[in-house]
Amino acid sequence: AQKITQTQPGMFVQEKEAVTLDCTYDTSDPSYGLFWYKQPSSGEMIFLIYQGSYDQQNATEGRYSLNFQKARKSANLVISASQLGDSAMYFCAMRETAGGSYIPTFGRGTSLIVHP
Amino acid sequence: DGGITQSPKYLFRKEGQNVTLSCEQNLNHDAMYWYRQDPGQGLRLIYYSQIVNDFQKGDIAEGYSVSREKKESFPLTVTSAQKNPTAFYLCASSIQGRLAGGHNEQFFGPGTRLTVL
Repeated sequence: AQKITQTQPGMFVQEKEAVTLDCTYDTSDPSYGLFWYKQPSSGEMIFLIYQGSYDQQNATEGRYSLNFQKARKSANLVISASQLGDSAMYFCAMRETAGGSYIPTFGRGTSLIVHP
Repeated sequence: DGGITQSPKYLFRKEGQNVTLSCEQNLNHDAMYWYRQDPGQGLRLIYYSQIVNDFQKGDIAEGYSVSREKKESFPLTVTSAQKNPTAFYLCASSIQGRLAGGHNEQFFGPGTRLTVL
């Protein structure tokens, strides 16, 4: 079974509007971390935001926020006021601590296109 | 500026040849990783290293080999045993592999696109 599921292969949004990218995860580990990365067409992965499983508040970093719903095992990325430069692939990842590997598992990604 | 460099950016290989992808970091990170990315796929872990002179296989290690003789370097060799090596390869590093709590996010290099002719 996939540990990270991103159900939206592609999303389109108008410039200056907000967009939500979905991510659900599967783990029985009580301690884990969730990450979102952006991959522009250049290929490099850029870290955006992190949410720990014990964090009480949703993480925010500038225009990025993470809508963390622990009971639903979802960690959706919200981008406010979209910009043309936000067009990229977005990957959700989870790092579990059980088992000792601490290696993140990545979802298949969502392609976001921002229209002017 | 601190960061991760990968070279070359593009690499062409004939069938039956081994090729080595370079990855260097000056972030003083202990952990380093190699991922493979295919179109429409997420990142799949090939090998990782938590510390110098030690490394572990990831999910798709067959046909690949690595070394970690120096903290800042983690080269990946794609051997002729790898059946379908054409892909985009990403190297990453993090402060520690086993750091519980905190971000400990991975920093990625620009990638190497390998094509087998």
